[in-house]
Amino acid sequence: GEDVEQSLFLSVREGDSSVINCTYTDSSSTYLYWYKQEPGAGLQLLTYIFSNMDMKQDQRLTVLLNKKDKHLSLRIADTQTGDSAIYFCAEIRGYSTLTFGKGTMLLVSP
Amino acid sequence: GAVVSQHPSRVICKSGTSVKIECRSLDFQATTMFWYRQFPKQSLMLMATSNEGSKATYEQGVEKDKFLINHASLTLSTLTVTSAHPEDSSFYICSASWEQRQYNEQFFGPGTRLTVL
Repeated sequence: GEDVEQSLFLSVREGDSSVINCTYTDSSSTYLYWYKQEPGAGLQLLTYIFSNMDMKQDQRLTVLLNKKDKHLSLRIADTQTGDSAIYFCAEIRGYSTLTFGKGTMLLVSP
Repeated sequence: GAVVSQHPSRVICKSGTSVKIECRSLDFQATTMFWYRQFPKQSLMLMATSNEGSKATYEQGVEKDKFLINHASLTLSTLTVTSAHPEDSSFYICSASWEQRQYNEQFFGPGTRLTVL
């Protein structure tokens, strides 16, 4: 299909790891991204991965990319209440057109 | 660096009026700006792409005469919602970028909540 797909909701306890999954559609995407959106705010780029990489780690964040299955995941280690937000994965189509998933709402409980 | 602002952050207007939303790149020159629309619990949908000094490119299904985009300078793009109706109520977000930016990153504004009564 044409859509970038994500699960809509994830609930975890503080201190646990969170894993948010995404499937994308364009195998020629050069970059894939994870954005964070807090309520009523714009998007903040969390991390990105180049399409020739399998994994990228950035402090508490780990991105895994399976190009064969067009599957992208974001793992947040030691999840904190401040991580509660909506997380969007996005692929780039063409030179600059970003296509977003519907977002995964992450709720972190104390 | 790479900060994008939007003004206003919230606007309420009457049906039939026009509303202008500004998007500014505060510390860089944005050769390209993007306008997105986000419905509650939905993804961001790209409305149009604008390059400084040229006409905007609209996505399929977006009415050019309804959503007027002007990218008059390298730091400012405006979106005017003309003859607004309640179905135009939404969260409008802009982003900005420049040529050969690292990993094709776009920098997003904080969004504008439009409510049409």
